[in-house]
Amino acid sequence: DAGITQSPRHKVTETGTPVTLRCHQTENHRYMYWYRQDPGHGLRLIHYSYGVKDTDKGEVSDGYSVSRSKTEDFLLTLESATSSQTSVYFCAINSGQGAIGYTFGSGTRLTVV
Amino acid sequence: EDKVVQSPLSLVVHEGDTVTLNCSYEVTNFRSLLWYKQEKKAPTFLFMLTSSGIEKKSGRLSSILDKKELSSILNITATQTGDSAIYLCAVEAEYGNKLVFGAGTILRVKS
Repeated sequence: DAGITQSPRHKVTETGTPVTLRCHQTENHRYMYWYRQDPGHGLRLIHYSYGVKDTDKGEVSDGYSVSRSKTEDFLLTLESATSSQTSVYFCAINSGQGAIGYTFGSGTRLTVV
Repeated sequence: EDKVVQSPLSLVVHEGDTVTLNCSYEVTNFRSLLWYKQEKKAPTFLFMLTSSGIEKKSGRLSSILDKKELSSILNITATQTGDSAIYLCAVEAEYGNKLVFGAGTILRVKS
């Protein structure tokens, strides 16, 4: 999607290993979010950021950490991956001008075996 | 805790049918309600509703918000196979610049 890219697009990892997903934006937006999507649950917020080094937890933050050292990058780390973290992860950005400004990345499909 | 509930969770219809998808919410300091369509990749924006009773329309799709009933509906008329997707409802609360999503409705349109 224009202005926001996620990497990698797909990843298979083993239980217990650390994994980092990257979200990169070129829009200079203040807000960035990480969601996970699982069947029957829609999108659930993991963590979000409202500025460089300013982050907060969402509803499903256990087992995840984030970092934002510069405006354009928001990293999501699974400290020790578990099978329950197998999911599709979406990053989103927002200028802060209201919900209509949300833009989603294309997603990262993570499989923990 | 903010909550968004969508119904039905899944639906199978034939081409040409009309469908109505439902979304109800419990949110502190409601600001807006959004509908998204998702086909395999990222959700794509359909409508944003802020005022009660005003219908938003785009081609065969329309949506309306009822703030008194804390709900919204998304109507799709003359459905086509290309309408097959997950339809997500999300609500923005006034504080936090965050969206709370419902579980989604999986729509399958058979030819």
